[in-house]
Amino acid sequence: DTEVTQTPKHLVMGMTNKKSLKCEQHMGHRAMYWYKQKAKKPPELMFVYSYEKLSINESVPSRFSPECPNSSLLNLHLHALQPEDSALYLCASSQEPSGGTPLYNEQFFGPGTRLTVL
Amino acid sequence: DAKTTQPPSMDCAEGRAANLPCNHSTISGNEYVYWYRQIHSQGPQYIIHGLKNNETNEMASLIITEDRKSSTLILPHATLRDTAVYYCIVRVTRTGNQFYFGTGTSLTVIP
Repeated sequence: DTEVTQTPKHLVMGMTNKKSLKCEQHMGHRAMYWYKQKAKKPPELMFVYSYEKLSINESVPSRFSPECPNSSLLNLHLHALQPEDSALYLCASSQEPSGGTPLYNEQFFGPGTRLTVL
Repeated sequence: DAKTTQPPSMDCAEGRAANLPCNHSTISGNEYVYWYRQIHSQGPQYIIHGLKNNETNEMASLIITEDRKSSTLILPHATLRDTAVYYCIVRVTRTGNQFYFGTGTSLTVIP
């Protein structure tokens, strides 16, 4: 199984709502990622989890709250979002390189969740 | 962090080879070059990667210059389904394994 699944595919929410995006992989990968992609722009890294611990937060506003409950699941909790947060949210996973070795680690991407904030 | 520079758009005739260039002049010695593509509104799809040597797989070939400051992705016989945005990425190894996408090249394959 080389698939990363994301749910829901589409989400519309108001600025006062609380919602969550879900990502799942069963490839045994111990690194998982959230990216945000605005229209006609490249994906931008938001968060990196390594062995279920947050290792990188690219200065993302606190209204985005990631969670990695186990090695197969990655959530992104959303609260009090703004219309400018409307975007495609992509999840990815990869093997975790070890000890500075330049290990090849292809990232596998999910299909994304299209989020619209009204 | 190594950054990549790509032309914003290219056209290619169907059946011909598509050659997509990428500059990564600040690449470090142990940083891999990856190529991904993204078809409209889908997740990025892995194509190929390389470190120093040229690489080939069933999808494409990757030519890396000897000084590693640039590379070219070659799609040998482009089809209409190859129309996509192609991203050249250098994986940052200094602080982890994150990818930073460049602006990409929008390739249009013309019938």
